[in-house]
Amino acid sequence: GQQLNQSPQSMFIQEGEDVSMNCTSSSIFNTWLWYKQDPGEGPVLLIALYKAGELTSNGRLTAQFGITRKDSFLNISASIPSDVGIYFCAGHYGGSQGNLIFGKGTKLSVKP
Amino acid sequence: DGGITQSPKYLFRKEGQNVTLSCEQNLNHDAMYWYRQDPGQGLRLIYYSQIVNDFQKGDIAEGYSVSREKKESFPLTVTSAQKNPTAFYLCASSLGGTTGELFFGEGSRLTVL
Repeated sequence: GQQLNQSPQSMFIQEGEDVSMNCTSSSIFNTWLWYKQDPGEGPVLLIALYKAGELTSNGRLTAQFGITRKDSFLNISASIPSDVGIYFCAGHYGGSQGNLIFGKGTKLSVKP
Repeated sequence: DGGITQSPKYLFRKEGQNVTLSCEQNLNHDAMYWYRQDPGQGLRLIYYSQIVNDFQKGDIAEGYSVSREKKESFPLTVTSAQKNPTAFYLCASSLGGTTGELFFGEGSRLTVL
């Protein structure tokens, strides 16, 4: 079946640092999406990308839809404590509404 | 306010018992979904429904059942046939189409004792 490889699995951030994570697949997707999940809550959509090469920003967040349609990255600039949580990439390959695949997530924590 | 409401937030069940998780939305969305989340794992699709009185199995439907009698409601029953039911369950909805833009509820945590 289709799979998404999301990396890194976890990372520690210090306030003010930039953060980068990515998602790759051997399959082509029509839409790439990035969600954030706070502890004990449901994920919230951050950014949706619909076109290969598309670069989209949402405040301090920037995401890109890879040219090959097989990858996407998310950057967070000047991180703040409330950025901690789990970030999921997701790819939709069209057709049925059930054709949405999630990565395993990148967990952001604050450096001790 | 519009949104998705899941209940209960926490649920404990003895082995061999069926349990039903509630999901209600007032967003007027056509499609609804149930996902399962385990620690360190992504979200895995259990069932989804694109329209009232119709639903399709996802990747891990075994041991689960759903119904979609009303547009607003999509309850999930975790049956005794589900071998490892302890997990965090998430309900979601979408306007329709095939973009993957989902609105999630706050989740229900089921623990089997």
